Formats: sequence, structure tokens, C-alpha cells
Amino acid sequence: DAMVIQNPRYQVTQFGKPVTLSCSQTLNHNVMYWYQQKSSQAPKLLFHYYDKDFNNEADTPDNFQSRRPNTSFCFLDIRSPGLGDAAMYLCATSRKTGTGTGANVLTFGAGSRLTVL
Amino acid sequence: AQSVAQPEDQVNVAEGNPLTVKCTYSVSGNPYLFWYVQYPNRGLQFLLKYITGDNLVKGSYGFEAEFNKSQTSFHLKKPSALVSDSALYFCAVRDDKLIFGTGTRLQVFP
Repeated sequence: DAMVIQNPRYQVTQFGKPVTLSCSQTLNHNVMYWYQQKSSQAPKLLFHYYDKDFNNEADTPDNFQSRRPNTSFCFLDIRSPGLGDAAMYLCATSRKTGTGTGANVLTFGAGSRLTVL
Repeated sequence: AQSVAQPEDQVNVAEGNPLTVKCTYSVSGNPYLFWYVQYPNRGLQFLLKYITGDNLVKGSYGFEAEFNKSQTSFHLKKPSALVSDSALYFCAVRDDKLIFGTGTRLQVFP
């Protein structure tokens, strides 16, 4: 089945130690998103890629970076994790952005839960 | 700016009873509305969407939602709740990005 796979599912890191989370998709979708979700809150969009075009949300801290080396893979790099960065990180994909009758459904991965000690 | 509101943090319902999870929206122009469900320690799963057409939208797992333009609402409903429906439900509106409501925890008791 076509899907969105996130690794690792659980990541424990120390304060300040860089972390990379990965996301892969077999849907051949153009758009890949990274969301941050803190305990039972609404997911918050960090950034997204439309193909190779990177779109950063205005309030995303510089501590968060992303790479998309090809259509299938996208990485979230947290350069110096703080205690406040402990959260579930959700990757999602869609065929396109925007609205219209073809407004696209996002397909989410299962998430990567980050713990910062 | 587009937004959705979920007025209830939690909804409790007995198994077999009908359930409603409320959502109201604020948009300029035509709304593109969605419902997603999140089970514990999992990502979000798409349930249904309203773009245009019939106001009653049917989705996965027996859920449906009614788009009401006069009340600016998009409530999620199911005629007969199951214990396995217990989860976190998010209403969302799509602009250039998907904007989620704060979520409603549905608890279905046996």
C-alpha cells in the first residue's frame, strides 16, 4: 500500500544534541509537510516543500531545518533541541497545495515522538 | 484569516448512542472543510471533506458531517457510536495550508 513512513517512531535525545527525523512516501506526492504536535494539541505547521521549493512558516524557530533530497524523502533536523521541543512530529504529503475542487487531502505518517532529556 | 473552532474539549457518549462533535468555521469565500481522527500515538487519518455539493458528506467508518452555511458549522456525526471510535478528532479548514482546530476528545463508554 502507498503510504507515508516516519523513522524513528520514538527518539530520545539530550538537551542540545542534534536530531534528524526522516519521512518517506510512496505516493509520489509533490508536497511534503512537517507538523509539530504537543500533547493533544492541534498540529502546528513548521514548513513544507512543494517539489524542491521550501516554504517556511513565519513563526518556525531557526532551530528547525529541513531537507528534501528527492521526491520520496524529507528530513527534519533539530539543531539544538530544547526541552520545549519535545513533541510528536508529523510528516504529511499531498498532491498539491491550495484550494479548489481538487483541494487535496493530506496523508499523514504515524509520527515520530521526540523526548528531550 | 481562515479558522475553525471546536467548542468542546471532550465529548462522552454511550456505545450505541448517536454522537456529534461540533465545529464552526470562519472563512472568507468558499470553505474547504475537513475532519481528521487521531488514535493514540498515531498520525492523523482523513475522515471526510466538504468542498462543494451536497451539504451532507459521508466519510470513513460510518461518519458523516453536515455543512451548514447559515450557522457556519460543520459538525461531525455518527448514528451509533462504537467504543473503538474513542479518539481525538480535529476539524480543519484549507487555505494555502491546512489549519486545524484545537481538537475534541471523544470517549465512548461500553
